[in-house]
Amino acid sequence: AQKITQTQPGMFVQEKEAVTLDCTYDTSDPSYGLFWYKQPSSGEMIFLIYQGSYDQQNATEGRYSLNFQKARKSANLVISASQLGDSAMYFCAMRDFNSGGSNYKLTFGKGTLLTVNP
Amino acid sequence: EPEVTQTPSHQVTQMGQEVILRCVPISNHLYFYWYRQILGQKVEFLVSFYNNEISEKSEIFDDQFSVERPDGSNFTLKIRSTKLEDSAMYFCASHTGRGEKLFFGSGTQLSVL
Repeated sequence: AQKITQTQPGMFVQEKEAVTLDCTYDTSDPSYGLFWYKQPSSGEMIFLIYQGSYDQQNATEGRYSLNFQKARKSANLVISASQLGDSAMYFCAMRDFNSGGSNYKLTFGKGTLLTVNP
Repeated sequence: EPEVTQTPSHQVTQMGQEVILRCVPISNHLYFYWYRQILGQKVEFLVSFYNNEISEKSEIFDDQFSVERPDGSNFTLKIRSTKLEDSAMYFCASHTGRGEKLFFGSGTQLSVL
């Protein structure tokens, strides 16, 4: 069974600084995908970034980058130049490829609440 | 950017009542999902739907739950007889079948009293 662990229930960062949100995963499947989603207080789930298990390079999307360390089974999210609007819950999730090529059965972690201080 | 739309944003119901949560996925998407998030807990997969049938469901998705795509645009989740423990945020999501991005709606907060 797949498992996602986010060990930081809450994180604080000063505006304009970088912050790393931790995520470790466990799977026996050699082929998998890792996601980060942002959930502001309004409740919607916003896709941030994706990393495939066979991707050679770490994924980047604007101020978001994913520090993928396959041997350590970690997929940490790095947010550079934090903004006040980055304050939200952040979820790490894994896609189960065993369910089929296009089936998005995601396993989520418990989330990390990020607060950006002015 | 296109959006997955969910209605209502909040739903309050009495225990034992039936509820229908509605979703309009993005128009060219082929795969549809329901997830739920009990307050303070993880987001959990409920069911996936493709080609007018359920492709996978979780243990949570028992006989009290059903899904339907009645008219080619809406995608609904019905809970036949709600229980207190069904109180949660329910998210609809959709996907094209290509690429990695799974689009979530903004959720329906269901409160069962």
